Amino acid sequence: DSGVTQTPKHLITATGQRVTLRCSPRSGDLSVYWYQQSLDQGLQFLIQYYNGEERAKGNILERFSAQQFPDLHSELNLSSLELGDSALYFCASSARSGANVLTFGAGSRLTVL
Amino acid sequence: EDQVTQSPEALRLQEGESSSLNCSYTVSGLRGLFWYRQDPGKGPEFLFTLYSAGEEKEKERLKATLTKKESFLHITAPKPEDSATYLCAVQARSNYQLIWGAGTKLIIKP
Repeated sequence: DSGVTQTPKHLITATGQRVTLRCSPRSGDLSVYWYQQSLDQGLQFLIQYYNGEERAKGNILERFSAQQFPDLHSELNLSSLELGDSALYFCASSARSGANVLTFGAGSRLTVL
Repeated sequence: EDQVTQSPEALRLQEGESSSLNCSYTVSGLRGLFWYRQDPGKGPEFLFTLYSAGEEKEKERLKATLTKKESFLHITAPKPEDSATYLCAVQARSNYQLIWGAGTKLIIKP
């Protein structure tokens, strides 16, 4: 157990729907990162939060949004889902904003039918 | 453009057969290079950080090395439990976000 908790582990939904993925960082970590991992593209950075504030944005679609709450847990919202959004979504955490050693959760596998 | 390329995509070895995985990178000023291991159904797990050419790090049967253009992950006398996907990532001085390679899937047959 890495200490980073992600829920749900698996999610199956239909095109056009909206889902929310949840992440609780490792105790003491202030920074949360969201990544998408698909078979053909590897790990793609989506967005980072540090202590409740957005710190960096990667290749995140406009249909996706995220936030980090005062208790430091984070949610990734995916809307108007398309077949191509099927992927593993990982959350990672670190103690500080510019860290390069990340602790990853086990991921949420999203299947869009 | 900063990028990371890993080769081969997949590598099948017999138990005890040593080999190396490659990670080549182009980045405008390297802050650090990182190796992670990912088991099926799990998130990546940190292995090593390398900061400058010539640096080496070791952990059990794994040794990571770094040159100005690439890094190698050497696996000596591997065991079936070393089977995993090995990911390489770099961090540029200009942007601290990690840039990831696609990984090498290593399969060690008993």
